[in-house]
Amino acid sequence: NAGVMQNPRHLVRRRGQEARLRCSPMKGHSHVYWYRQLPEEGLKFMVYLQKENIIDESGMPKERFSAEFPKEGPSILRIQQVVRGDSAAYFCASSQPLAGEYEQYFGPGTRLTVT
Amino acid sequence: SQKIEQNSEALNIQEGKTATLTCNYTNYSPAYLQWYRQDPGRGPVFLLLIRENEKEKRKERLKVTFDTTLKQSLFHITASQPADSATYLCALRNTGGFKTIFGAGTRLFVKA
Repeated sequence: NAGVMQNPRHLVRRRGQEARLRCSPMKGHSHVYWYRQLPEEGLKFMVYLQKENIIDESGMPKERFSAEFPKEGPSILRIQQVVRGDSAAYFCASSQPLAGEYEQYFGPGTRLTVT
Repeated sequence: SQKIEQNSEALNIQEGKTATLTCNYTNYSPAYLQWYRQDPGRGPVFLLLIRENEKEKRKERLKVTFDTTLKQSLFHITASQPADSATYLCALRNTGGFKTIFGAGTRLFVKA
């Protein structure tokens, strides 16, 4: 029973390039969350998606960042024209499609380094 | 402003003792509160969830309390072991909201 998969685990991009981070949720999970974590800091919520829908993107920067969770395939977090400040660990989490509270299962993260 | 705060200083305790971590929040009305463990270089792992109408929840050596009047949750690890050394994160979801807000975490070191 595979957990949440993220790839790549490490990504190096030069300033101005695009970064694409992929997340495959646990089997049976249709809710995906993306978080950003800077060293020695907590997880910062970015976006919450269900299949083909963005439910809450209040944590996403207004420019350069976008996320999708298509009907088929993984969820993608896309960062265009990366800057050094985008360097961080990006975590994806998934949860079950139940009403009410439910725990989130996290992936191992993608560590993005912008040079 | 809304805040969720955990002790920023690391907690150092001796093996066998009880570790107590604190999570305080301001200007939230959480439907529930969660605790996660995070090891260096890895994603957080869910430990416990406590609802607003629950005072206490236990799981093996772990105990969580939730005081909505004090706006505080306490996380206890009894009979601590060196393997319990990690960063512990509290997280809440506001009633009616979708996103989960995480505290910055408290690092715990258990010495043998």
